[in-house]
Amino acid sequence: QSVLTQPPSASGTPGQRVTISCSGSTPNIGSNYVYWYQQLPGTAPKLLIYNTNQRPSGVPDRFSGSKSGTSASLAISGLRSGDEADYFCASWHDTLSGPVFGGGTKLTVL
Amino acid sequence: QITLKESGPTLMKPTQTLTLTCTFSGFSLSTSGVGVGWIRQPPGKALEWLALIYWDDDKRYSPSLNSRLTVTKDTSKNQVVLTMTNMDPVDTATYYCAHMSGKWLPPAYWGRGTLVTVSS
Repeated sequence: QSVLTQPPSASGTPGQRVTISCSGSTPNIGSNYVYWYQQLPGTAPKLLIYNTNQRPSGVPDRFSGSKSGTSASLAISGLRSGDEADYFCASWHDTLSGPVFGGGTKLTVL
Repeated sequence: QITLKESGPTLMKPTQTLTLTCTFSGFSLSTSGVGVGWIRQPPGKALEWLALIYWDDDKRYSPSLNSRLTVTKDTSKNQVVLTMTNMDPVDTATYYCAHMSGKWLPPAYWGRGTLVTVSS
């Protein structure tokens, strides 16, 4: 059972915009930044979004992050077949004094 | 470019002690703010953080596993070592190490992970 809650799956067609949600609580998302990662099978998780809405160098602006209260979202616009991957969120948890993670969302491009 | 790589045994027996090494490049653990974390993911289950160590030797452990974990760093070798005692089949998981860009932040850059199987 993950501390942060994500839908197990999401899907869209090429060119569409898809949103993946991440629900937490006050000690984590409500008080701290949110990070988002993309993971392809057999590879290391890749940082997509840090500090809730910032993109590392090299990440296309098709990926964007936002937060409202204790929930966060990752939006992917102009969906491509290469975006098929697992996406998961993370935040710091003040009480646990460590990072907490979502269970991951498997994105399928139809 | 920041890279991390986990190494250690792939198969263990119950009650044994696991020792994993994270060897990294592209950053130094003597730089203020920087840390390395260990996270694991059992097959089909969620990610779980295990331990963190920062440039100032500040160490954090998951409350649920605190008594079984030890994390150390060797700054000169760019390595961080995690030990976990009394391994059990439920500890079967992919173990990742990751770069932490500051305290109170989630991991930024991750290694590919190493699968550790615990079986008698």
